[in-house]
Amino acid sequence: GENVEQHPSTLSVQEGDSAVIKCTYSDSASNYFPWYKQELGKGPQLIIDIRSNVGEKKDQRIAVTLNKTAKHFSLHITETQPEDSAVYFCAADYGQNFVFGPGTRLSVLP
Amino acid sequence: DGGITQSPKYLFRKEGQNVTLSCEQNLNHDAMYWYRQDPGQGLRLIYYSQIVNDFQKGDIAEGYSVSREKKESFPLTVTSAQKNPTAFYLCASSIFAGGADTQYFGPGTRLTVL
Repeated sequence: GENVEQHPSTLSVQEGDSAVIKCTYSDSASNYFPWYKQELGKGPQLIIDIRSNVGEKKDQRIAVTLNKTAKHFSLHITETQPEDSAVYFCAADYGQNFVFGPGTRLSVLP
Repeated sequence: DGGITQSPKYLFRKEGQNVTLSCEQNLNHDAMYWYRQDPGQGLRLIYYSQIVNDFQKGDIAEGYSVSREKKESFPLTVTSAQKNPTAFYLCASSIFAGGADTQYFGPGTRLTVL
């Protein structure tokens, strides 16, 4: 079945620096890769997604890149702010459902 | 105001009791899902439903049961057969489950077994 690995598990950056989180997946049939942000005690919120027909997608300070050949995709956050501190999850579609990575705890230090 | 609601936010249960978690959506989505989240782990799928009166087991269905009598509602029952039920439970929905489609999550219910 599909397996999604996510690295790093924890990440600390200074405010204003960039943060990069990388995920790898195993099923070459996967075509849709969403990223979610989860704040403490809340449900995950979709922040950006990408489909396999594009290599990069941007939304203000957030971007996602996809390398289908290597089966990995990455989340890039530029000009980080304290409110970016949260747990971030990647996911890959597998059949009619998703497999989620284990999450990355991002801390933005003021 | 559209969205997914889960209730209650916090739930306490004694060992040996069944408990039902509520999930309601007014997004007119066909598909609904239940996930379990444990500290330091990703989301694990318990059950999902693609259409009313139909549902499928996910990866960790043992000790759980669901029903889908209405499109808007997908309650989850945690039975006494679930060995370690203390966790954060998340409900999600998507427009349809015919393929990869964005899932939107509710705020979650934290269940604690005393």
